[in-house]
Amino acid sequence: DAEITQSPRHKITETGRQVTLACHQTWNHNNMFWYRQDLGHGLRLIHYSYGVHDTNKGEVSDGYSVSRSNTEDLPLTLESAASSQTSVYFCASRTSKNTEAFFGQGTRLTVV
Amino acid sequence: DQQVKQNSPSLSVQEGRISILNCDYTNSMFDYFLWYKKYPAEGPTFLISISSIKDKNEDGRFTVFLNKSAKHLSLHIVPSQPGDSAVYFCAARPNNAGNMLTFGGGTRLMVKP
Repeated sequence: DAEITQSPRHKITETGRQVTLACHQTWNHNNMFWYRQDLGHGLRLIHYSYGVHDTNKGEVSDGYSVSRSNTEDLPLTLESAASSQTSVYFCASRTSKNTEAFFGQGTRLTVV
Repeated sequence: DQQVKQNSPSLSVQEGRISILNCDYTNSMFDYFLWYKKYPAEGPTFLISISSIKDKNEDGRFTVFLNKSAKHLSLHIVPSQPGDSAVYFCAARPNNAGNMLTFGGGTRLMVKP
């Protein structure tokens, strides 16, 4: 079955370190997204991509970057992790025309 | 400034009764609305949606109502079941952007047996 997977599921890192969260989908969806979930804020968009080599900034993109070298993967990189980036991160994907997005199971990141 | 708001962070309902979750929005360009359900340690899953050309959409026990003049939508669950206990997110999409979804803060629903 097609799916979207995130790794790792849990990560603890130190302030200032570079961290990369992986997202892989097997639906061949063009659109991929990264959100963070924080209490009281719901899901906020970090970065998104409409296809290979396309990346765009979302609402809370500062301190994050993404790259899209193929259709299946959209890794999220925290260049220099900060305590404010402690959160649960969700990757999502969808077809170009379908508004419904499918989410991964999430990565809980703790920056100490 | 939150464009999509869920003013009730939590809601407790007895099994078998109706659950009503509310969502307000401010952006008049939103033309498509969705509800997602999220269990602990899982990603959100799509539940039901409604286009701005409609005022009601029903799928089994779940019905979404849209009041465009009030910029308000609600999700009704009848009858509520303990398995419905989860966090529910309202989301909206504007008609002038790249189909980006804006989410509300979520409402935690607890259905008591």
